[in-house]
Amino acid sequence: GEDVEQSLFLSVREGDSSVINCTYTDSSSTYLYWYKQEPGAGLQLLTYIFSNMDMKQDQRLTVLLNKKDKHLSLRIADTQTGDSAIYFCAEGDTGRRALTFGSGTRLQVQP
Amino acid sequence: DTAVSQTPKYLVTQMGNDKSIKCEQNLGHDTMYWYKQDSKKFLKIMFSYNNKELIINETVPNRFSPKSPDKAHLNLHINSLELGDSAVYFCASSQDSPYGYTFGSGTRLTVV
Repeated sequence: GEDVEQSLFLSVREGDSSVINCTYTDSSSTYLYWYKQEPGAGLQLLTYIFSNMDMKQDQRLTVLLNKKDKHLSLRIADTQTGDSAIYFCAEGDTGRRALTFGSGTRLQVQP
Repeated sequence: DTAVSQTPKYLVTQMGNDKSIKCEQNLGHDTMYWYKQDSKKFLKIMFSYNNKELIINETVPNRFSPKSPDKAHLNLHINSLELGDSAVYFCASSQDSPYGYTFGSGTRLTVV
C-alpha cells in the first residue's frame, strides 16, 4: 500500500531556511502536496506539485521533487516564528483514492 | 463564510454513548471525506463520498456510520463509543485534482 514518511521534528532559528523532507512509496502518485497545521486548527494547503515537475516556487516556499528517489522537500526561506506548525506532505493520484498523508513534521522556530 | 464547517468543535462523552459529528461545505465540491487524527498527529482516511455515493470505506469498525443526505453534507455517527475512539476527526472536501482538499477545523472527541 501507499506509505509516506517524514521526520518528526525540526528546529531552526528565525531568519534561517527550513527544509522539511518527505519520502513516499507509490509510483503512481500524480500530485504531491504540502499542508500546514497550526495548533487547534485544520490543515491548510500550502502548495502542490505535479509528479512531472522537478521544482515549484511560491514566494518563500520552494518544493523540490526527485521522482526517481520518491523524495519531496519543502524549503521555507527566511523562516518566521509564525511558521511554527506541523507540516504534512501528502500524495494522491487521478483515481478515486484519497490522499495519503505523512506523519507530519513539527517545525519549531526559535526567536 | 466558512468553507468546510464541522460541529461540534469539542465533544466529551462517556463510553458506550452514541454521538454524531456534522460537516457541511459551501464550496460546491463533489467529494467529501472523514479523516481521523490520533494523538501522534497521524491522519488516516476513514470514509469518502462522491455526490452522495460511498466510494471509500477503510477498515473502520462498523460502529462508525457515515451519512450523506446531499453532496454538501457528510455526517459521522458513532455508536457505542470506546476509549480508543478519542481523537480529532477532520472533515474535508475536494473537487477534481490537483487542488487538494479543504479541511474543516476538526472535532476533538474525548471518550471518558
